[in-house]
Amino acid sequence: AQTVTQSQPEMSVQEAETVTLSCTYDTSENNYYLFWYKQPPSRQMILVIRQEAYKQQNATENRFSVNFQKAAKSFSLKISDSQLGDTAMYFCAFMNGFGNEKLTFGTGTRLTIIP
Amino acid sequence: NAGVTQTPKFRVLKTGQSMTLLCAQDMNHEYMYWYRQDPGMGLRLIHYSVGEGTTAKGEVPDGYNVSRLKKQNFLLGLESAAPSQTSVYFCASSTGRSTEAFFGQGTRLTVV
Repeated sequence: AQTVTQSQPEMSVQEAETVTLSCTYDTSENNYYLFWYKQPPSRQMILVIRQEAYKQQNATENRFSVNFQKAAKSFSLKISDSQLGDTAMYFCAFMNGFGNEKLTFGTGTRLTIIP
Repeated sequence: NAGVTQTPKFRVLKTGQSMTLLCAQDMNHEYMYWYRQDPGMGLRLIHYSVGEGTTAKGEVPDGYNVSRLKKQNFLLGLESAAPSQTSVYFCASSTGRSTEAFFGQGTRLTVV
């Protein structure tokens, strides 16, 4: 069974600084997909960034980027120039590939941006 | 375009009562999921469906049943509610693969 581990329950950084959230996963599959979702206090789940396992290039979305290390089964999220609106729970998620797309989440990291 | 809609948004049940949570999506998605969210435990998958008429167990299926009779609807049933089922429940849908999963607004369920 796939597992997703987020070892940092809480983090806080000063506004405008860079922060990295960690995520590791365990799978025996070669084809899969990884995601970071953000959950602000409104409780709405928002996709931040996604990565296909077969792509070696790390995904980027504006201030958000990932460091995908397939051999180490690591998928960290870097937030640059952090903003107050980045305050939220962040969840790492794993999806199987091809025909059985079970979507599994980690336990989350509560990120607080300090003014 | 409503996206994913969960009904109801809030509910209080007494121990032993039953209820059904409805998830409806209007995006023609094949995949639908039910999660529960508890403090410190993230989102845990209860059941999921890879298409109309199919269901599969997730990490924490005990005490829950599901049905996907129509592609757009995914129902989560609690047969005999227990206080341990007090949680926030989320439904999600997607087309699978690397695409984004869309989430409902959540249902806060309290079992007393």
